[in-house]
Amino acid sequence: GAVVSQHPSRVICKSGTSVKIECRSLDFQATTMFWYRQFPKKSLMLMATSNEGSKATYEQGVEKDKFLINHASLTLSTLTVTSAHPEDSSFYICSARIWLAQTQYFGPGTRLLVL
Amino acid sequence: DQQVKQNSPSLSVQEGRISILNCDYTNSMFDYFLWYKKYPAEGPTFLISISSIKDKNEDGRFTVFLNKSAKHLSLHIVPSQPGDSAVYFCAASEGYSGGGADGLTFGKGTHLIIQP
Repeated sequence: GAVVSQHPSRVICKSGTSVKIECRSLDFQATTMFWYRQFPKKSLMLMATSNEGSKATYEQGVEKDKFLINHASLTLSTLTVTSAHPEDSSFYICSARIWLAQTQYFGPGTRLLVL
Repeated sequence: DQQVKQNSPSLSVQEGRISILNCDYTNSMFDYFLWYKKYPAEGPTFLISISSIKDKNEDGRFTVFLNKSAKHLSLHIVPSQPGDSAVYFCAASEGYSGGGADGLTFGKGTHLIIQP
């Protein structure tokens, strides 16, 4: 149980285009989902916390107009990287949490490469 | 089917003693392993990593041991401190190419409690 999926697993796009990444909790309802970003040899960096039905909370230094997050249902959160640039190339991973539970369940991640 | 297993949901250790967190994996293609520490309502923090060409990596109070034949790794924390109380995640990846982790598979975590 407690499976989180992400789609796509890898994506290559041209600079200036937008890319949407989906995060789904497959067998539980997630009131809270998290989006992380990871650079090579670095730790996962929390980008934002997404609560179902409300606006996402972004960490300091993360541009909310650049990284649009939508958590429209208890099983789906999306991250849209708008007007992508090469510096946005990274590994994006989401996690989901059951209400009042401590454990976050992570998705397998999405590798984004912007050319 | 869990490819990375942390079989102890929680572990209680006295302050000053050694904490040993264990992790097992089933995928023989994994060649890079990481440990993350996580506090409630915070993102996981990278602690230490090890590639499959090594059997030990040490960073301060943290040491990770890798036993490839047993498909087992462990994180040792010596001495344990109250601030170490957190959830620890083991993670693994395939295809480490020198650039860092890719496609991480995480364990479900071990809640370490350091008692004074």
